[in-house]
Amino acid sequence: NAGVMQNPRHLVRRRGQEARLRCSPMKGHSHVYWYRQLPEEGLKFMVYLQKENIIDESGMPKERFSAEFPKEGPSILRIQQVVRGDSAAYFCASSPTRQAGAEAFFGQGTRLTVV
Amino acid sequence: DQQVKQNSPSLSVQEGRISILNCDYTNSMFDYFLWYKKYPAEGPTFLISISSIKDKNEDGRFTVFLNKSAKHLSLHIVPSQPGDSAVYFCAAKVNYGGSQGNLIFGKGTKLSVKP
Repeated sequence: NAGVMQNPRHLVRRRGQEARLRCSPMKGHSHVYWYRQLPEEGLKFMVYLQKENIIDESGMPKERFSAEFPKEGPSILRIQQVVRGDSAAYFCASSPTRQAGAEAFFGQGTRLTVV
Repeated sequence: DQQVKQNSPSLSVQEGRISILNCDYTNSMFDYFLWYKKYPAEGPTFLISISSIKDKNEDGRFTVFLNKSAKHLSLHIVPSQPGDSAVYFCAAKVNYGGSQGNLIFGKGTKLSVKP
């Protein structure tokens, strides 16, 4: 049973470009969460999705960031017109349900560097 | 406002001794707590969890204690091993409304176990 797969592992973008981060959840998991970790910080919740639905996007910046989890295919976190402050590690996690006790399993992350 | 606090950025312990990592929280709505371990350039790995209806949960060398009245939890690792050297994140689940499932993380404590 493959774990949570994120790609790419490393992504370099110039300011103003778009960044697309992909996440394939564990088999049987329909709940996906995106987190961002800035240097020397803990992980900060961004968005929670189920298939075709955004459940909670309270942690997403209001502009330039969007996320989707289509019926088929991976979840995508999209950052438009990237700025240097977007440089961070972005982690995706999945769980089978959202109930307490259903631990979220994390991918290895995508390290975005904006130059 | 940080809802989950890990006030010790680092901890150094001798191999074979006990490691105690502490975590405080402010939100009384949290009802599930988790510890994750993270190596550099990898995603967090789930370690152990505890429900708010319990005050202790044990799994091998790892024990988590929860003191609800003090809004404090701790992770005990005994005996500590060099392979335990990593950053440990305390996390809590927000359990209301549509945000069920997403985790609130502390900033982490870097544990170094010296041989």
